[in-house]
Amino acid sequence: DAKTTQPTSMDCAEGRAANLPCNHSTISGNEYVYWYRQIHSQGPQYIIHGLKNNETNEMASLIITEDRKSSTLILPHATLRDTAVYYCIAPSGGYQKVTFGIGTKLQVIP
Amino acid sequence: GAVVSQHPSRVICKSGTSVKIECRSLDFQATTMFWYRQFPKQSLMLMATSNEGSKATYEQGVEKDKFLINHASLTLSTLTVTSAHPEDSSFYICSVRGVLEQPQHFGDGTRLSIL
Repeated sequence: DAKTTQPTSMDCAEGRAANLPCNHSTISGNEYVYWYRQIHSQGPQYIIHGLKNNETNEMASLIITEDRKSSTLILPHATLRDTAVYYCIAPSGGYQKVTFGIGTKLQVIP
Repeated sequence: GAVVSQHPSRVICKSGTSVKIECRSLDFQATTMFWYRQFPKQSLMLMATSNEGSKATYEQGVEKDKFLINHASLTLSTLTVTSAHPEDSSFYICSVRGVLEQPQHFGDGTRLSIL
């Protein structure tokens, strides 16, 4: 997989926007970036993915830089239920191998 | 609704027992299935990748004779932990994917405890 780098942990006040960065400087031109999150003791949950353009869905927005070397996941109004570990994934090798880094532990504070 | 059904959610058994974990894709044909395990306070570790009808590709350090993976159909994959020992105790998670660029969808995981 293309190596991704994320901060180990972040705090965010409830109701504020949470901006989670990810560096993926070795990503290839045709590889998507995916974001998942894992709430304690559960399986990961898919959030959003994108290739070049910014994306938005009911959960979050994804901002991808023009050079595609980094992206930011935005949770517009964080709630306590958004406390989780967030993983940025950039598969490679024909998408046959998808590995996870350590992710960012987001703590939403009341 | 849930896309992936993984069973059982929790297993407690004696050392030497073999344990089978099922992963079912509910809403679409899963061309590829992935098996991960996760130890406490660690990230997910990829164990193997399987395509329907083909032998699984195991990651380095994962014993294929100990962790038997069967992906016989586009909706079902099984992981059998043979002759399980306490060091095999972990959280096992499956995921499914359709065509290559589609995201993965994960099961709720199986917590395996070997006494």
